[in-house]
Amino acid sequence: KNQVEQSPQSLIILEGKNCTLQCNYTVSPFSNLRWYKQDTGRGPVSLTIMTFSENTKSNGRYTATLDADTKQSSLHITASQLSDSASYICVVSAASAGNMLTFGGGTRLMVKP
Amino acid sequence: DTGVSQDPRHKITKRGQNVTFRCDPISEHNRLYWYRQTLGQGPEFLTYFQNEAQLEKSRLLSDRFSAERPKGSFSTLEIQRTEQGDSAMYLCASSFLAGNNEQFFGPGTRLTVL
Repeated sequence: KNQVEQSPQSLIILEGKNCTLQCNYTVSPFSNLRWYKQDTGRGPVSLTIMTFSENTKSNGRYTATLDADTKQSSLHITASQLSDSASYICVVSAASAGNMLTFGGGTRLMVKP
Repeated sequence: DTGVSQDPRHKITKRGQNVTFRCDPISEHNRLYWYRQTLGQGPEFLTYFQNEAQLEKSRLLSDRFSAERPKGSFSTLEIQRTEQGDSAMYLCASSFLAGNNEQFFGPGTRLTVL
């Protein structure tokens, strides 16, 4: 069964600090891995997308890594801002006819002043 | 704004009533997906369309749920005889069948069944 597990479930950090979110997956056959940011009451918005051959991808203060051998990914947020408070969802796409997505449960990040 | 719109944004209904949600995807996208998301969880797949054809349905999509995409553009999701367990955020996403098939999500419709 395809699964995506994220940790921690929730995280509180002070503004300006860095943090790293983790994602482990068992999705086969693997197509790509995405990190989404979802603000409360809104739809998810894509931050990064990585294919099998990519092991790091940056988008401003967000840097995602992928280890396809161990099936792990991380999202590192640098110099956090209050606006980073949101849920971060790891999503893995299977190389199937519908490119079906398997979603993790998300990490709820709260950045405090 | 991703370019995917959903209407309404919020819906409060009484148990047993029928509700219908609409999704307008990005115009050139030929794939359209529906997901359900409950509080603190990631979205769960319900169904998807390629153009007007409904290609896959999740076991979560009971016979009270029906989705259509009659002209391959906008889509509707109807829930008949709503139950309190249907309370959730209903998300729509669209993608173009090429490249990485990245899905762009709408803002969602939050359904509350009293």
